[in-house]
Amino acid sequence: QQQVKQSPQSLIVQKGGISIINCAYENTAFDYFPWYQQFPGKGPALLIAIRPDVSEKKEGRFTISFNKSAKQFSLHIMDSQPGDSATYFCAASLGGTSYGKLTFGQGTILTVHP
Amino acid sequence: GAVVSQHPSRVICKSGTSVKIECRSLDFQATTMFWYRQFPKKSLMLMATSNEGSKATYEQGVEKDKFLINHASLTLSTLTVTSAHPEDSSFYICSAGTPGANVLTFGAGSRLTVL
Repeated sequence: QQQVKQSPQSLIVQKGGISIINCAYENTAFDYFPWYQQFPGKGPALLIAIRPDVSEKKEGRFTISFNKSAKQFSLHIMDSQPGDSATYFCAASLGGTSYGKLTFGQGTILTVHP
Repeated sequence: GAVVSQHPSRVICKSGTSVKIECRSLDFQATTMFWYRQFPKKSLMLMATSNEGSKATYEQGVEKDKFLINHASLTLSTLTVTSAHPEDSSFYICSAGTPGANVLTFGAGSRLTVL
């Protein structure tokens, strides 16, 4: 019930292309869905987050699409750049006082070729 | 923006010794901090929730006597790995929430290697 499944495991994109990473969850009580970017040897950094009452959220080149009925959400990175090469994690939590108890997906290693 | 600092960033210790990792919220007060663990090329797993002035709450399967957490002030939480063994080698990452925003900020992590 607490799982968050992420795909693909790795992704190679050409510079300027669109990177798409997908996640699916099981627990319908999840209330907060963030995406994190992590560079080697560093802690994860929040990219963008969404709550289930919104179907899409865009911040710059990053967009989250959320499908509540399918229990799926995805990250789209437009105009991908070599500097975007990193590991991306989706996550989910119950919200409220449990917002910090995140269940993470397995991660996607993104490589953007120049 | 909110900054969470961890120290040390890397530590190597001998098997059987104890290691303390500090997590500080630099520009805000955090009544609650969260400790995560990450194995190489793996995802993050929540270990425990650190509560200022009270006992930490541990996730299922995490040994509370092995991983001692102390949250003595509103800006500092510590994780002590006691009697460390090679299987405790991992990347430990703390996080804290920005008050009122419920947005989690992670520290840069501490890489523990137990020989």
